[in-house]
Amino acid sequence: QKEVEQDPGPLSVPEGAIVSLNCTYSNSAFQYFMWYRQYSRKGPELLMYTYSSGNKEDGRFTAQVDKSSKYISLFIRDSQPSDSATYLCAMSAGSGGSYIPTFGRGTSLIVHP
Amino acid sequence: GAVVSQHPSWVICKSGTSVKIECRSLDFQATTMFWYRQFPKQSLMLMATSNEGSKATYEQGVEKDKFLINHASLTLSTLTVTSAHPEDSSFYICSAIYRGGTDTQYFGPGTRLTVL
Repeated sequence: QKEVEQDPGPLSVPEGAIVSLNCTYSNSAFQYFMWYRQYSRKGPELLMYTYSSGNKEDGRFTAQVDKSSKYISLFIRDSQPSDSATYLCAMSAGSGGSYIPTFGRGTSLIVHP
Repeated sequence: GAVVSQHPSWVICKSGTSVKIECRSLDFQATTMFWYRQFPKQSLMLMATSNEGSKATYEQGVEKDKFLINHASLTLSTLTVTSAHPEDSSFYICSAIYRGGTDTQYFGPGTRLTVL
């Protein structure tokens, strides 16, 4: 079993839909959780950063962390064609372990007009 | 803030030559920089971790004599692919951790290397 599992998709949704992207993990030491967006042939761009459990909202994006279930989610409201990209989850233990994050393989999202 | 640049953005070279890729943190000091490799439709593969002023730590299976990493300052790290071969063709991405901040990595735009 990989440390971080993420469905590669592709996930295809119509414009305006609510998108749910998820990752599961096995390492209970993970405390820092991140979501990155990567457009084709570009470097990943940090979208959301969360420490420990809970929710965090930023515009149309909401990140949720459930440490008891070892499950994290990224929700995108009112999705736009410009949201079409690969979304990577990443997590690290930080000072309690390794600060080097472990990445999921990424979910390809396609938002069609 | 937290901008990381890479140069060049793409490079084509002949087999047997060496290629140097630069990674710079433009508006912050990076205690640690990372080098990744990414194949099409695959996730990021960590190659090495580089701390300023010390030798890089390479991941298992990565040839340190082939992928030379130098982290000369808090804002610059370089990756040199020596004696490049077609199988080295890939997308190389660097990232940096903001000194004194969280464990968040900020990524460069990537360098596409094609070895003929």
